[in-house]
Amino acid sequence: DGGITQSPKYLFRKEGQNVTLSCEQNLNHDAMYWYRQDPGQGLRLIYYSQIVNDFQKGDIAEGYSVSREKKESFPLTVTSAQKNPTAFYLCASSMSREVWNEQFFGPGTRLTVL
Amino acid sequence: GQNIDQPTEMTATEGAIVQINCTYQTSGFNGLFWYQQHAGEAPTFLSYNVLDGLEEKGRFSSFLSRSKGYSYLLLKELQMKDSASYLCAVTDSNYQLIWGAGTKLIIKP
Repeated sequence: DGGITQSPKYLFRKEGQNVTLSCEQNLNHDAMYWYRQDPGQGLRLIYYSQIVNDFQKGDIAEGYSVSREKKESFPLTVTSAQKNPTAFYLCASSMSREVWNEQFFGPGTRLTVL
Repeated sequence: GQNIDQPTEMTATEGAIVQINCTYQTSGFNGLFWYQQHAGEAPTFLSYNVLDGLEEKGRFSSFLSRSKGYSYLLLKELQMKDSASYLCAVTDSNYQLIWGAGTKLIIKP
């Protein structure tokens, strides 16, 4: 079955530590995205990538970093510079970034900073 | 600034009909999406509108009026499994998706 996987589902981190969230897709999609979801707010775009070895900052990229070395993979690192990292993180992909392409989402990773 | 407004929460009865509204103010418009999200899960695609009018898909329909910056999602014959949040998202002139905060729909027996 084709889809998007994210791991882990729950993650706990101590303040000051970097942590990497995994996102893998086998849909052969060119575009991939990372969103953050907080209670009472819409999804906010962190980073997106339209092609391998290229990515762009979204609205809230500060304190985060990404890589796109393979088409299937788009890991997100939450660094210690991110002031409020506790949130639900969603990875998504689409065939391309064309406007009519729906985005498919992974199950999400809930990050809690202790 | 860019803004999408949806009611925070709505309650409806099983078997009834409910309409969830979405109004938007964005820099440009290249289409509007509706997604369903059950608690703690990933959003799943429901519909896409780019032209004015009504798109029907089974029990769910979505309407768009570009001149009014307005859309609604209509859910018929409500079932308990329809209890979820419904997210409205608009693609702006930079092809970026702007998301509303979502409407939590509670279905009562």
